[in-house]
Amino acid sequence: DTAVSQTPKYLVTQMGNDKSIKCEQNLGHDTMYWYKQDSKKFLKIMFSYNNKELIINETVPNRFSPKSPDKAHLNLHINSLELGDSAVYFCASSRGNYEQFFGPGTRLTVL
Amino acid sequence: AQSVTQLGSHVSVSEGALVLLRCNYSSSVPPYLFWYVQYPNQGLQLLLKYTSAATLVKGINGFEAEFKKSETSFHLTKPSAHMSDAAEYFCAVSQGGSEKLVFGKGTKLTVNP
Repeated sequence: DTAVSQTPKYLVTQMGNDKSIKCEQNLGHDTMYWYKQDSKKFLKIMFSYNNKELIINETVPNRFSPKSPDKAHLNLHINSLELGDSAVYFCASSRGNYEQFFGPGTRLTVL
Repeated sequence: AQSVTQLGSHVSVSEGALVLLRCNYSSSVPPYLFWYVQYPNQGLQLLLKYTSAATLVKGINGFEAEFKKSETSFHLTKPSAHMSDAAEYFCAVSQGGSEKLVFGKGTKLTVNP
């Protein structure tokens, strides 16, 4: 009965590879988000989708492409991975502008 | 544009002592304010939120925060620290209740026995 789940939990890959992170929520929320937390624990929003429509895109390189096949899923695809992409990526969901519920995070390490 | 400043990247208290974590915000319109806690290797959990109702907000685990418009502050307090409170705490603001959350840089709380 996990509310917001992400897979995988850990992802180790080489520079230049393409990878995806999946997110699913079973809370019936209509808005989903991706955040990046850097090595200094700073959290910054990357994208937000509402009912499968992109509503926030925060100056993220176009190597990052979110995809929302339905309201319960928001996946993050990253092309041509770079060292600087190493971080913890969090998915979150909310009902409109109420509090956001966060997933457990995916720790991405680019070698 | 809204922003959040958390004073003190590290706060250390003794078990049983008062916890005070400071947060100041900047917002051109009435803000919604949040405190989240992150335990090691976990996601963020909401502690409490202010959404223009009562200025003193009570949250989970004995935490509370007071919204002070004149001081643009939303400090988090707990009367008596417990070892299990050791974690990273994040203050966040959304402008006028929009979906976009802007986070502070976090405060790491250490509780000493």
